Amino acid sequence: QKEVEQNSGPLSVPEGAIASLNCTYSDRGSQSFFWYRQYSGKSPELIMFIYSNGDKEDGRFTAQLNKASQYVSLLIRDSQPSDSATYLCAGTPGNTGNQFYFGTGTSLTVIP
Amino acid sequence: DGGITQSPKYLFRKEGQNVTLSCEQNLNHDAMYWYRQDPGQGLRLIYYSQIVNDFQKGDIAEGYSVSREKKESFPLTVTSAQKNPTAFYLCASSRPQETQYFGPGTRLLVL
Repeated sequence: QKEVEQNSGPLSVPEGAIASLNCTYSDRGSQSFFWYRQYSGKSPELIMFIYSNGDKEDGRFTAQLNKASQYVSLLIRDSQPSDSATYLCAGTPGNTGNQFYFGTGTSLTVIP
Repeated sequence: DGGITQSPKYLFRKEGQNVTLSCEQNLNHDAMYWYRQDPGQGLRLIYYSQIVNDFQKGDIAEGYSVSREKKESFPLTVTSAQKNPTAFYLCASSRPQETQYFGPGTRLLVL
């Protein structure tokens, strides 16, 4: 079974620190990975996607993909209280299907 | 404005009743999806559709049904066979193998 696993947390970091969120996946053929942020009671919103090995940066966010070790991570620099949310990792299957496989999410709290 | 709409925002179901959740998108996406989210848990796929008049079961399809008569619309019916329907239901759409965009969700509660 294709799976994406995340540490459920909760993860707490002080304001201004770096938050590191990690995700591992079981399908070695998975091509693309996505990070979503979900505030309590709201729907997920896309933060970043990554499909090449290495780092991808967008403002305070950096996604990292290591296909050999089958893990994906999201770094949030200069964490703000508004970053407090649940972060969902998702991957696409190695076949041509459109469905995503979501992790259970990591709850992040940024303490002012 | 392009996007995905879901209605209603809250839905109450009586025991033995079928209810239908609406999902509409104007993003011209071929693929649409329904997910269920329970408190403190991730997203579980109920059904998805890659093209009009075709759909596939996801991981937890029992007790649910869908139709895809139009590209823009993918309604979900929660049938009386679904014994534990209380959850947050999310609809999403995408181009093939690309980012899924989510609607605002429908919270279903049982009376």
